[in-house]
Formats: sequence, C-alpha cells, structure tokens
Amino acid sequence: GENVEQHPSTLSVQEGDSAVIKCTYSDSASNYFPWYKQELGKGPQLIIDIRSNVGEKKDQRIAVTLNKTAKHFSLHITETQPEDSAVYFCAASRMDNNDMRFGAGTRLTVKP
Amino acid sequence: ETGVTQSPTHLIKTRGQQVTLRCSSQSGHNTVSWYQQALGQGPQFIFQYYREEENGRGNFPPRFSGLQFPNYSSELNVNALELDDSALYLCASSLAGTGREKLFFGSGTQLSVL
Repeated sequence: GENVEQHPSTLSVQEGDSAVIKCTYSDSASNYFPWYKQELGKGPQLIIDIRSNVGEKKDQRIAVTLNKTAKHFSLHITETQPEDSAVYFCAASRMDNNDMRFGAGTRLTVKP
Repeated sequence: ETGVTQSPTHLIKTRGQQVTLRCSSQSGHNTVSWYQQALGQGPQFIFQYYREEENGRGNFPPRFSGLQFPNYSSELNVNALELDDSALYLCASSLAGTGREKLFFGSGTQLSVL
C-alpha cells in the first residue's frame, strides 16, 4: 500500500520568511495530493490540493508543487504570519480509492 | 468551520468496554470516513460509508464497526477496548462522485482508555 513520508517534523521560521515542507510517496498510482492544516483542538482543514495532471498550484500565499517522476510534492508558504503556526499534514490517495494516507505531520512555528 | 459535528468531544473508558462515537456530515455530503489519529501522528483510515454500506476499510480489526443512517450521519463503534485505542477519532464527510476525495473533518472525539 501507499506510504507517505514527511519532512521536517518541526520547522521554526521568523514572521515574513518562507516555509517549505516536503513529502514523498511510494505508490505510483496515487494521483491526488492534499495538504491539511491542524490547529490545536481542531480537526485537519484542507488548505490546498493538487492532482497528478498538474505540476504546480497556487492560492495566495500557499503553493504546492508535484514531481511525479520523483514521487515527491512540497508545500510552500510565503510571507509567513503567526497564525500560520499549526501542524501541517500531507496526504496521498488514488481518486478511485478511499484509503487516503497521511504523513506524520510538520509542526510549524512562526515567530513574531 | 466545516459543518461536520462530532460527539462527544471527550470520552474516558476502561479496557474491555465498548464505545460509540457519532458524526453528522456537512450539508449535502453523502459519504462519511472515519480516521484514528494517535498522538503526534497523522490520521489513519479506519473505514468509509456510502449509501449506508461500508465502502472501503483500512487495517483495523473487526471490533471496529460502523453505521451510516439515511440522513448520512454515522456512528463508529469499538468493542473490547484496548489501551492502544486511546486516540483522537476523526470523522470526515465528502460528496460521492467527482471531488469525493476532498475530505472535510470534524474536530474529533478524544478517547482515553484506562
């Protein structure tokens, strides 16, 4: 089955800097790659996603890139703000499969 | 907020007991998935329900079972609780068809097994 690895496990940046979180996946049939943000006491919230027919997607300060050949994808957050502090999870699945696999998470801290 | 509600928010049980967790899906969503999130880890897929039937299952034993009702709400039942079942249980709703993969999570039920 699919195995998703995520790095780093913790990331601390100064407000205004950029943050990058990287994930790799093992199943070449995976074709859907979402990113979730989880704040304390809340469930994961979908912030951006990408399908395998696209190499990059942007939404304001966040962007995701996908390299299908290398089987890795990354989340980029620019101009970070303290409210970006949370745990971020990458995930991978096949759109015809209900079993979405998550990475172990990255705890992002943005220092004011 | 996603509109997915879960109850209760916290629960304490002892080993060997049974527990039922409840989930109301977001308006318009007809598919419910359940995930287990251990402390410091990512969510793990338990199973999914669509049209009141199980529609996919992860690597969890049969003592984890579920139901989906005609109004698309769902229950997760766990029998013979073990200490390792202590975790945050997340419910996610989605819409069958194109976009089914987009999951909208509730805030979860924190289960502690003593």
